[in-house]
Amino acid sequence: EPEVTQTPSHQVTQMGQEVILRCVPISNHLYFYWYRQILGQKVEFLVSFYNNEISEKSEIFDDQFSVERPDGSNFTLKIRSTKLEDSAMYFCASQDRGQRPQHFGDGTRLSIL
Amino acid sequence: KNEVEQSPQNLTAQEGEFITINCSYSVGISALHWLQQHPGGGIVSLFMLSSGKKKHGRLIATINIQEKHSSLHITASHPRDSAVYICAVLASYNTDKLIFGTGTRLQVFP
Repeated sequence: EPEVTQTPSHQVTQMGQEVILRCVPISNHLYFYWYRQILGQKVEFLVSFYNNEISEKSEIFDDQFSVERPDGSNFTLKIRSTKLEDSAMYFCASQDRGQRPQHFGDGTRLSIL
Repeated sequence: KNEVEQSPQNLTAQEGEFITINCSYSVGISALHWLQQHPGGGIVSLFMLSSGKKKHGRLIATINIQEKHSSLHITASHPRDSAVYICAVLASYNTDKLIFGTGTRLQVFP
């Protein structure tokens, strides 16, 4: 069964550094999402992406964050200048069309030192 | 107040027991998801429903739209069912994002 893959599984970065989290969604899917889960807390929506543009973003998704689908297969989340509070598990999800189940990757654990 | 509330937060069961996890929400929704989060962190979609009842193997999900309540049942529970079960809703006014509950941690002992 096709699946969403995320790399790396764990990323350790110094505060202030840029980090790029990568996702390969399921190939025929059109809607893409990033979520994050701070340790011990619930999963939170960050951003949704459709038709090569952001369709919605949360208050968390400030100017330090950006998303890109550079080559038609990868979907990336960039954090320009990481802060300690960015430490979390980041999940990518994709969906073939609206009002359908979202398929999640296994997540990238981001640790900011 | 959280828009999606789950109960209980933690649940311990003996193998073979019937499990019920509850989810209540305060917003209008177009659909509700039940998700399973493995100990390693990965998330798997179990059900997406907007009315009635769905069954897959030993798992049953029900939803009552009028009461804004859903339940996830596990029959004949097994230690491999140990995971965090998360309820998430797709709000009627917004079709893009999922709003998550805090999850129910289930441990099933042999």
